[in-house]
Amino acid sequence: QQQVKQSPQSLIVQKGGISIINCAYENTAFDYFPWYQQFPGKGPALLIAIRPDVSEKKEGRFTISFNKSAKQFSLHIMDSQPGDSATYFCAARGGSARQLTFGSGTQLTVLP
Amino acid sequence: GAGVSQSPRYKVAKRGQDVALRCDPISGHVSLFWYQQALGQGPEFLTYFQNEAQLDKSGLPSDRFFAERPEGSVSTLKIQRTQQEDSAVYLCASSLAHTPTGNTIYFGEGSWLTVV
Repeated sequence: QQQVKQSPQSLIVQKGGISIINCAYENTAFDYFPWYQQFPGKGPALLIAIRPDVSEKKEGRFTISFNKSAKQFSLHIMDSQPGDSATYFCAARGGSARQLTFGSGTQLTVLP
Repeated sequence: GAGVSQSPRYKVAKRGQDVALRCDPISGHVSLFWYQQALGQGPEFLTYFQNEAQLDKSGLPSDRFFAERPEGSVSTLKIQRTQQEDSAVYLCASSLAHTPTGNTIYFGEGSWLTVV
C-alpha cells in the first residue's frame, strides 16, 4: 500500500530554473512532512520540513507548499543549480513508531 | 559521534549466509530506526527502537530478519539465510526523542548488501 505518491519520477531543469516535485498522501494521521535529498552512495539528508498547520515554508531557495484539504504538498527549488542534482524524496511521519513513509523519489538533473 | 555511523558499508554475501549490520546512532538519540532501500526506490520502514525496547517490528519482511539494541545505543540488524531479494541498502536512522520536538530523523550512509 503506497501511502505517499510522488511525481515526477525524473526531472531535467536548466540552471537557474525552477524545479517542482509533487507528493500526495492518504493517511490523515500524518503530522510532519519532510523532504530528503540523497546523493549517490549517501544516506538521505533532511532538506526542509513542514507541519500541516502551515501552508508554506521557505528556507533559502527551497520552499514547501502544503495543501491540507487536498492532501498534497510540493517542493519548489528556485534558481536550480547543477549541485542540486540528486534524488529527492518526500516523506510523511506517523504511526505508532512515528516512522517515516517515503515517496518513490524524483531524480533531478540540473543542466549547466 | 557527529553522525549516524554504519558498518560494513559494503557486504557481499553468498545465498544462505548470515549477515550482521551494525549501527552507531548519534550520541544521546533515544529513537533508532532501520529502513530498507531497494535500488531506485524510497526507503521502507523495518523496525523501531526506543532506547533498548523494540517497540515496532512490523516492517521486518520475514522471520529471517532480527534486530537488537541491547544497551540502548548501538544496534545490529541480522539477516539469516540471506536470499537474493534481500539485496538492498540498509539504512539506520536516529532521532533525539519520541516527541514532536525531536522530529528530525538523521540517516546514516547505509550498508549495501548484495546477495549472490
